[in-house]
Amino acid sequence: LAKTTQPISMDSYEGQEVNITCSHNNIATNDYITWYQQFPSQGPRFIIQGYKTKVTNEVASLFIPADRKSSTLSLPRVSLSDTAVYYCLVGRGSSASKIIFGSGTRLSIRP
Amino acid sequence: EPEVTQTPSHQVTQMGQEVILRCVPISNHLYFYWYRQILGQKVEFLVSFYNNEISEKSEIFDDQFSVERPDGSNFTLKIRSTKLEDSAMYFCASRDSQAYGYTFGSGTRLTVV
Repeated sequence: LAKTTQPISMDSYEGQEVNITCSHNNIATNDYITWYQQFPSQGPRFIIQGYKTKVTNEVASLFIPADRKSSTLSLPRVSLSDTAVYYCLVGRGSSASKIIFGSGTRLSIRP
Repeated sequence: EPEVTQTPSHQVTQMGQEVILRCVPISNHLYFYWYRQILGQKVEFLVSFYNNEISEKSEIFDDQFSVERPDGSNFTLKIRSTKLEDSAMYFCASRDSQAYGYTFGSGTRLTVV
């Protein structure tokens, strides 16, 4: 499983766009990049997954450069309810094997 | 949206007692998992389960832990003799072979006193 590195914490304000970058220098050819969100006392929630270039859904966008050694989760116009821990994970997207969580990025949104 | 349901939401037990944490995964999912999160720490993998057997387990998942799928819908985690350090949130998750991500339940907060 490729190791990932992401900031421990970030702060932003309501209405701003927030970009969280994750480094994964040892990503393998078959690996996908997946982001989860976790609110206090709740289970992690899948946000988005991608392999290359850009993926967008109703919650976020995921930008992956050509070398795939990093990725950026972009949250448009955040609100207070986006305050959570965000985890970047790298592994085989359709594999049934376990996923391993790192420490994540604690995002705090201020009014 | 389909959900993974966990019961109870909170359980308090005395050290040395047995506890069973229950999960109802999403009905058409085939792969099941238990994770735990000690307060303020990372989400840790415990065990994965497929085709009625354990696929993989972590070092945490020692002989005091067991999992079972007693019927077509429930997936349980049993801790035989609880210790103080077993106090944590326990999350169940499931996925099917085509799903992008896991679906996690809301967790059971286990407090061992």
